[in-house]
Amino acid sequence: AQKVTQAQTEISVVEKEDVTLDCVYETRDTTYYLFWYKQPPSGELVFLIRRNSFDEQNEISGRYSWNFQKSTSSFNFTITASQVVDSAVYFCALNTFQGGKLIFGQGTELSVKP
Amino acid sequence: GAGVSQSPSNKVTEKGKDVELRCDPISGHTALYWYRQRLGQGLEFLIYFQGNSAPDKSGLPSDRFSAERTGESVSTLTIQRTQQEDSAVYLCASSHPGQGRDRRGYTFGSGTRLTVV
Repeated sequence: AQKVTQAQTEISVVEKEDVTLDCVYETRDTTYYLFWYKQPPSGELVFLIRRNSFDEQNEISGRYSWNFQKSTSSFNFTITASQVVDSAVYFCALNTFQGGKLIFGQGTELSVKP
Repeated sequence: GAGVSQSPSNKVTEKGKDVELRCDPISGHTALYWYRQRLGQGLEFLIYFQGNSAPDKSGLPSDRFSAERTGESVSTLTIQRTQQEDSAVYLCASSHPGQGRDRRGYTFGSGTRLTVV
């Protein structure tokens, strides 16, 4: 069975704080992909990152960084120096090479206050 | 087209009526997915089409839900005898057969917001 767990339902921070969104996944497949999406209040899903299971290097993109650890089945997302525009719901998702469909976590609602 | 197009963007229907939601995938994307997102909830997988293979219907919540896709083109999600619990945003996504060709993997439409009154 495949599952994605985002234990943090809501997080509230003050602008310029760093914040980490947790994601834990379960799969028996050895080849899989992990994703993060942002869903702002407007509702569209914005792709942030895709990582395959063979690449454990951490990735940084501007204020965003991702920490992939297969040993703990986690793919955490950190926003450095958060801004009000980062306020959104963030979803972690899993896809196995064979399965096709994306399995989503329940999402973490991030609120960044000025 | 440039993106995944869904219509209508909003639909209000009376309880008990049937509704059809449409999804136009990106040209060349052989895989197409339907998801449901209830208010304040995550995305719930409904059904997945891949080329001419039999669709994966494992996420359809009841036999009132069905979906069709002809070839690699438009898909229609039909909900019969709608109930208030069907109120949600229905999202469609498409993807290229080889995920490596598109780093994003999946492109989502803007969704259809369905309200059953």
